[in-house]
Amino acid sequence: AQSVTQLGSHVSVSEGALVLLRCNYSSSVPPYLFWYVQYPNQGLQLLLKYTTGATLVKGINGFEAEFKKSETSFHLTKPSAHMSDAAEYFCAVSRGVSGSARQLTFGSGTQLTVLP
Amino acid sequence: DTAVSQTPKYLVTQMGNDKSIKCEQNLGHDTMYWYKQDSKKFLKIMFSYNNKELIINETVPNRFSPKSPDKAHLNLHINSLELGDSAVYFCASSPNRGGRYNEQFFGPGTRLTVL
Repeated sequence: AQSVTQLGSHVSVSEGALVLLRCNYSSSVPPYLFWYVQYPNQGLQLLLKYTTGATLVKGINGFEAEFKKSETSFHLTKPSAHMSDAAEYFCAVSRGVSGSARQLTFGSGTQLTVLP
Repeated sequence: DTAVSQTPKYLVTQMGNDKSIKCEQNLGHDTMYWYKQDSKKFLKIMFSYNNKELIINETVPNRFSPKSPDKAHLNLHINSLELGDSAVYFCASSPNRGGRYNEQFFGPGTRLTVL
């Protein structure tokens, strides 16, 4: 079984400030972890992913996340928030299902607001 | 070119009606998915097809029936629509090989409103 917990359904930061969105996971097998972003009235776009290898992964738009196995965490950060970062962010964990298909389990999402 | 497309984008209908949502991907992927996003933005897998074969079928009412005529299409038919079916439905696809095989690519969503 696998699950994802995102702490904080709403996070507000000032423009230029650090963004930190928290994600903790539970997985019975080594996890594949993802962060997706959803802009209003749009689909989900992949920000970054961790599968194996380097635990600090860099994604698009200046975001990065660090996989910490001991803490079962995969927090998302960005050094300096931009107004265009305002969106809903989803952390997800995936497991193999059949063949190459993988089942994504999403967290409940974090709405990021960037204040001018 | 749109990678994963869905039609229609918006669907407003009465309770009890039957409706379909179509999904097409031009990425050459073998696996496709349907997700439901509720009013609280919670996303949950509904179905997955791999090369036209159903491989994930979560606890979904049997009023929902996916159909995959070929590996580039995965349609969702819903019978006897209920108020609780109102949600945004997302289609996604993923490749079976290559460096991005564990990534899912999402369509823009179909907002279904049942009155």
